[in-house]
Amino acid sequence: KQEVTQIPAALSVPEGENLVLNCSFTDSAIYNLQWFRQDPGKGLTSLLLIQSSQREQTSGRLNASLDKSSGRSTLYIAASQPGDSATYLCAVRLTPSRGGADGLTFGKGTHLIIQP
Amino acid sequence: NAGVTQTPKFQVLKTGQSMTLQCAQDMNHNSMYWYRQDPGMGLRLIYYSASEGTTDKGEVPNGYNVSRLNKREFSLRLESAAPSQTSVYFCASSEFGMGNTIYFGEGSWLTVV
Repeated sequence: KQEVTQIPAALSVPEGENLVLNCSFTDSAIYNLQWFRQDPGKGLTSLLLIQSSQREQTSGRLNASLDKSSGRSTLYIAASQPGDSATYLCAVRLTPSRGGADGLTFGKGTHLIIQP
Repeated sequence: NAGVTQTPKFQVLKTGQSMTLQCAQDMNHNSMYWYRQDPGMGLRLIYYSASEGTTDKGEVPNGYNVSRLNKREFSLRLESAAPSQTSVYFCASSEFGMGNTIYFGEGSWLTVV
């Protein structure tokens, strides 16, 4: 069974710092990996999707990397801002040949606070 | 752009009552999903539907039934609600493909008392 772990569970940093959120998964037969943002009381917003054949994706101040062989992904946030405060979720989708349920397996998230 | 729409957004039920959560997507996606989110447990897959007319169990299907009414709509039914089903429920949809994002609705907050 795929398991996804996110470290740290919570993080508080001053505005302007660069930071890294970590995600690890146990089954490397993934189809893709997504990073989501969730604000309190809201749904999930997709930030970045990395296909299994890719090593990284970038969007603005966000950069996500994927190392399938070691079962790891990182989300790098540059020049953090108070508006970045949210919970960040990592999720993986298994490759179809693996069988089992389709859909995403989620980590429990990193709760990020950016101090003004 | 509506995307994935869920109703109701909030609901309080008494133990033993039944209700249906409705979900509709306007992106012509084949795959649809229902997740629940609980503190300390993260999001877990309840049921999914790979195409119209098919449904399959996810990680936590007990106590729920689903219907894929057509390509747009995927409903989740609680036949006899229990306090353990107090949760936030999310519907999602996607096309199946390595580069395809899964899109989520805004969530439905359900309390069973």
